[in-house]
Amino acid sequence: GAVVSQHPSWVICKSGTSVKIECRSLDFQATTMFWYRQFPKQSLMLMATSNEGSKATYEQGVEKDKFLINHASLTLSTLTVTSAHPEDSSFYICSGQEGTQYFGPGTRLLVL
Amino acid sequence: GQSLEQPSEVTAVEGAIVQINCTYQTSGFYGLSWYQQHDGGAPTFLSYNALDGLEETGRFSSFLSRSDSYGYLLLQELQMKDSASYFCAVNTGGFKTIFGAGTRLFVKA
Repeated sequence: GAVVSQHPSWVICKSGTSVKIECRSLDFQATTMFWYRQFPKQSLMLMATSNEGSKATYEQGVEKDKFLINHASLTLSTLTVTSAHPEDSSFYICSGQEGTQYFGPGTRLLVL
Repeated sequence: GQSLEQPSEVTAVEGAIVQINCTYQTSGFYGLSWYQQHDGGAPTFLSYNALDGLEETGRFSSFLSRSDSYGYLLLQELQMKDSASYFCAVNTGGFKTIFGAGTRLFVKA
């Protein structure tokens, strides 16, 4: 299957700082990538659809000014959590679509 | 609204067979997928059904009935390593996928 990587795998930051998470498709080109958030023992919640060369499409209730998404190439999408707060602590997972969705390994964010 | 319903927990013993059901109500339907997620890990793809019927992949099989808006994942010859959460997901079109809440499977010795 297709391979998607994420970096970093985990990050701890202070409240008020910004954190950037990278998502790469390693062996396929992903015109569209997806960003999910998952809280403990809960399902994956789609945050936004990242489109190469255009603006991301955000789900209802997700602040686009807080969660900045850039999809500058066919293999790279980035999610920046701006002015992070403790309630942003979560597991962030990206995926790329090639037939079905292939998920990255996830990034665990802890905001202190 | 759009929803996927699946049991929250299932417990079974090693070597047994377990079936995890999923019913869905979505505005669009292009296929039903199943994913496995171990604690602390990311979801991994298991199977996909776009048409009615049974798809078999080793110990895992998945079934879909579009007329009933229903599908299931069947796990045979259960092993301890199968203890994980299993999510059904519907491709509603336009690259959009909606996930169920997940079923935690506990496999006992």
